[in-house]
Amino acid sequence: DAGITQSPRYKITETGRQVTLMCHQTWSHSYMFWYRQDLGHGLRLIYYSAAADITDKGEVPDGYVVSRSKTENFPLTLESATRSQTSVYFCASSDAGTGYGYTFGSGTRLTVV
Amino acid sequence: AQTVTQSQPEMSVQEAETVTLSCTYDTSENNYYLFWYKQPPSRQMILVIRQEAYKQQNATENRFSVNFQKAAKSFSLKISDSQLGDTAMYFCAFMKSPYTGTASKLTFGTGTRLQVTL
Repeated sequence: DAGITQSPRYKITETGRQVTLMCHQTWSHSYMFWYRQDLGHGLRLIYYSAAADITDKGEVPDGYVVSRSKTENFPLTLESATRSQTSVYFCASSDAGTGYGYTFGSGTRLTVV
Repeated sequence: AQTVTQSQPEMSVQEAETVTLSCTYDTSENNYYLFWYKQPPSRQMILVIRQEAYKQQNATENRFSVNFQKAAKSFSLKISDSQLGDTAMYFCAFMKSPYTGTASKLTFGTGTRLQVTL
């Protein structure tokens, strides 16, 4: 099915562990984004990518790493998870040159204990 | 940098009534887009309505309409004939017009939690 898929939907991890959140889109959108959602902050941009092998920082990039070797995949890695990274993470994609907003995945709720 | 402010953290409305959610934004851009997204308990982000800044006419989608005041930098969402299924978090978002071949970042407000009651 066409769309944008995030996995896992829920994840519990321990402080200090590395964890990777997956994002896969079938729209062939050139742009992909990672946001985190926290109460009182709305959604904040972590990283984004304009194409394969092109990534850039957003508003809150510290503690996160991204890669994009293929256009359809955009994984987000927490290299050493901290409790402050407990959040809901959304992946989104967008075509270039349009003002139609994004297509969002269903989110990953990550809890760091 | 752009900022989006939603000053109502929570609101409540009775079924079949009308409710208005407020949003203000700050930008030096002249060409941009504004959005309202709905996030029900399922967590899915659903686009409700979109407004192009260069269009004076307010956008409408069925029971959802906006009051776009460009000079005041205000973009409120009106929900008419509220239904229980409208219960959700609503986010206002801003995007400056993308250059050809690029995409712009969405900047979100902090959200308004709407509860529709019987």
